[in-house]
Amino acid sequence: GQQVMQIPQYQHVQEGEDFTTYCNSSTTLSNIQWYKQRPGGHPVFLIQLVKSGEVKKQKRLTFQFGEAKKNSSLHITATQTTDVGTYFCAGGYILTGGGNKLTFGTGTQLKVEL
Amino acid sequence: EAQVTQNPRYLITVTGKKLTVTCSQNMNHEYMSWYRQDPGLGLRQIYYSMNVEVTDKGDVPEGYKVSRKEKRNFPLILESPSPNQTSLYFCASSLFLAGGLETQYFGPGTRLLVL
Repeated sequence: GQQVMQIPQYQHVQEGEDFTTYCNSSTTLSNIQWYKQRPGGHPVFLIQLVKSGEVKKQKRLTFQFGEAKKNSSLHITATQTTDVGTYFCAGGYILTGGGNKLTFGTGTQLKVEL
Repeated sequence: EAQVTQNPRYLITVTGKKLTVTCSQNMNHEYMSWYRQDPGLGLRQIYYSMNVEVTDKGDVPEGYKVSRKEKRNFPLILESPSPNQTSLYFCASSLFLAGGLETQYFGPGTRLLVL
């Protein structure tokens, strides 16, 4: 079955440092989504990438989708305490018969120290 | 307000006592899904539904049942809960397009403890 690996599992940074999390799929993806989950909360959608090599930015967050559509990254510039949480990628796969399946990575837990 | 609701939010039960966790969405989404979240394992899909009366197994369906009789509701049923089903459960819904899913909206979660 499809697998999505995400690294690192944990990242501890000082406020102002940059942060990156990486996702890698065992098979080609149709799209990839990124979510953020605050401690005690539920996952909240951040963005979806669909095209090969796509790059999207949201303020200090930069999302990339690899040329082969098998990997993706999320980069946060100059982290702030509000960035604390767990970041998940979710790879979308088109199933035989037209269905769509979303497989989540294991997440990267980000902690930001003052 | 667009939302996904789950009930109950917290539940303590005993092994073997059947329970149902309800999920409802008010966004007219075709696609609904159940996930469980366990430390170090991320979110794993239990079951999903692409529309009314259409359900399919996710990655970890054993011990669970679902039904989709109406578009807005997608209950998760544990016929005979066991301690290894202690987890945090999320329901999610989404529009389903030809090219894939749109944004998934998650419910607030149901924390289940099976003794």
